[in-house]
Amino acid sequence: QKEVEQDPGPLSVPEGAIVSLNCTYSNSAFQYFMWYRQYSRKGPELLMYTYSSGNKEDGRFTAQVDKSSKYISLFIRDSQPSDSATYLCAMYSGGGADGLTFGKGTHLIIQP
Amino acid sequence: DAEITQSPRHKITETGRQVTLACHQTWNHNNMFWYRQDLGHGLRLIHYSYGVQDTNKGEVSDGYSVSRSNTEDLPLTLESAASSQTSVYFCASSESSGRETQYFGPGTRLLVL
Repeated sequence: QKEVEQDPGPLSVPEGAIVSLNCTYSNSAFQYFMWYRQYSRKGPELLMYTYSSGNKEDGRFTAQVDKSSKYISLFIRDSQPSDSATYLCAMYSGGGADGLTFGKGTHLIIQP
Repeated sequence: DAEITQSPRHKITETGRQVTLACHQTWNHNNMFWYRQDLGHGLRLIHYSYGVQDTNKGEVSDGYSVSRSNTEDLPLTLESAASSQTSVYFCASSESSGRETQYFGPGTRLLVL
């Protein structure tokens, strides 16, 4: 079992819809949870960062972490065609651990 | 503006050749990382450094090496390129106290023939 599971999609939704992207993980040591957005042929761009459980909102984006269920989500409200990209979840345990552990990414398509 | 750059952006090489990919950041970050991204595998850590003269192996380090002689640069060397090393390579950096918030470069597409 991989440490981080993420449905690769593609996930196709109409413009204006609410999008829900999710990851599950198995390592209970993870404490930091990130979402990256990656456009085609570009580097990943940090979108959201959450420490431990709870919600965090930034404009149209909301990140949720449920450590008891080992489940994290990213919600996008009022989705736009410019949101079409691959969304990568990433996790880190802290305490001097090495690099981030990534999900494989979900390819999101927002239809105009 | 501070940034992280990678060069070359595209590279074609032959099996057995030595290849060096450059990474340069102007944020003055102590932490630097190299990842490779492949279909079906996502991003995987190759090597990382927490400061000058410090280097560490990641999940997929075989066939790769790095050296850190200054804060700004972490070059990645493929000692003897193999077709299995055809991939997209990303460099990232973060502050000392924020290893979780990494900022990525634009990537280098490497094709080994």
